Amino acid sequence: KAGVTQTPRYLIKTRGQQVTLSCSPISGHRSVSWYQQTPGQGLQFLFEYFSETQRNKGNFPGRFSGRQFSNSRSEMNVSTLELGDSALYLCASSLGLGLAGVDEQFFGPGTRLTVL
Amino acid sequence: DQQVKQNSPSLSVQEGRISILNCDYTNSMFDYFLWYKKYPAEGPTFLISISSIKDKNEDGRFTVFLNKSAKHLSLHIVPSQPGDSAVYFCAASGSSAGNNRKLIWGLGTSLAVNP
Repeated sequence: KAGVTQTPRYLIKTRGQQVTLSCSPISGHRSVSWYQQTPGQGLQFLFEYFSETQRNKGNFPGRFSGRQFSNSRSEMNVSTLELGDSALYLCASSLGLGLAGVDEQFFGPGTRLTVL
Repeated sequence: DQQVKQNSPSLSVQEGRISILNCDYTNSMFDYFLWYKKYPAEGPTFLISISSIKDKNEDGRFTVFLNKSAKHLSLHIVPSQPGDSAVYFCAASGSSAGNNRKLIWGLGTSLAVNP
């Protein structure tokens, strides 16, 4: 079974530009969550999509948006990039059933975004 | 406001000894806790979890202990191996209306196991 894939793996952008990151979940997984990881801030939850709908949202500005397609693939978009957006962006997929207990998340390798 | 806290950013242990990673939480509604391990340039991978109805869960060299009254959990690795060197994240999940669980993450503890 293929794991979670994220493209691109590395990206360099300049301030003011926009960027789109892509995530393909594990086959059969309907939930995709996005995280931002920066040194000293750990994993910051951005949002979660389930069946093409945003189900959970973290505390990030509106410049950060996402969407999910009918095949569960997800994209994350950041507009008007700022220097502070430089980070590792991780995508995680899960069954998304939200049953009592754990809905184990499987992470992709991440996209390293550098904003100059 | 950090609901899940890993107060030790780093830990160094000798190979063969016990590694103890700690995690504290503030939200009494959390009822499921997970530990993830992350190597550089890779995404986190699930390690072990524990439900709030238990106080201990063991899987090979890894044991997680939960103290609900203290809102504290710890991950024990015995014996520690150099390959265990990684960043360990504690995460918590709480029940809510509907199937809407969200994981709340700690900042991670970087473990170095020295040969």
